[in-house]
Amino acid sequence: AQKITQTQPGMFVQEKEAVTLDCTYDTSDPSYGLFWYKQPSSGEMIFLIYQGSYDQQNATEGRYSLNFQKARKSANLVISASQLGDSAMYFCAMREGETGGFKTIFGAGTRLFVKA
Amino acid sequence: GAVVSQHPSRVICKSGTSVKIECRSLDFQATTMFWYRQFPKQSLMLMATSNEGSKATYEQGVEKDKFLINHASLTLSTLTVASAHPEDSSFYICSARDSGRLGETQYFGPGTRLLVL
Repeated sequence: AQKITQTQPGMFVQEKEAVTLDCTYDTSDPSYGLFWYKQPSSGEMIFLIYQGSYDQQNATEGRYSLNFQKARKSANLVISASQLGDSAMYFCAMREGETGGFKTIFGAGTRLFVKA
Repeated sequence: GAVVSQHPSRVICKSGTSVKIECRSLDFQATTMFWYRQFPKQSLMLMATSNEGSKATYEQGVEKDKFLINHASLTLSTLTVASAHPEDSSFYICSARDSGRLGETQYFGPGTRLLVL
């Protein structure tokens, strides 16, 4: 069963505008973590933001914020003031707790294109 | 931040040869490391969980005799692709979990591109 779902294969955004990348997840583990990673063409995985399942507030890291809606099991990434350098592949990931072996699994990814 | 290295970064080999990829945590101890593979334009697929001092746990569909994992120390895990074939060509990425921290993220290596001719 698909545990992480990213429904947007590709997204376009105008430079300086905000964009939301969707992510939904499925788990029965009460303790889990949600991550977003950026992967540029070089292949390296760049950590962007983390949200724990027990965190009360949405995580923010600079221009990145995570819209965490626990009841809906969604963890959308919002990038504000898009820059040309934001063009990359973005992956949503979930790490389940001890019952899940602390494994991190990834969604299919969303390719973001920032237009000048 | 924590650093994970992989060696080599790129390897080209002939079909039938074995290839070893190293994953090292440089400034922390990692009792658990993970190996992923990524085909072009696809997501990362977890292959196996490498536990220091014990056998690796493989995901369904991953051949343990093909992808040999050894986690001999708290800072080193190796993945050996035995008798590599062209279909094994892929981007292999390791990640390491900092066992000294709670609620932490995994730290990813820069990846190894394998091309089997």
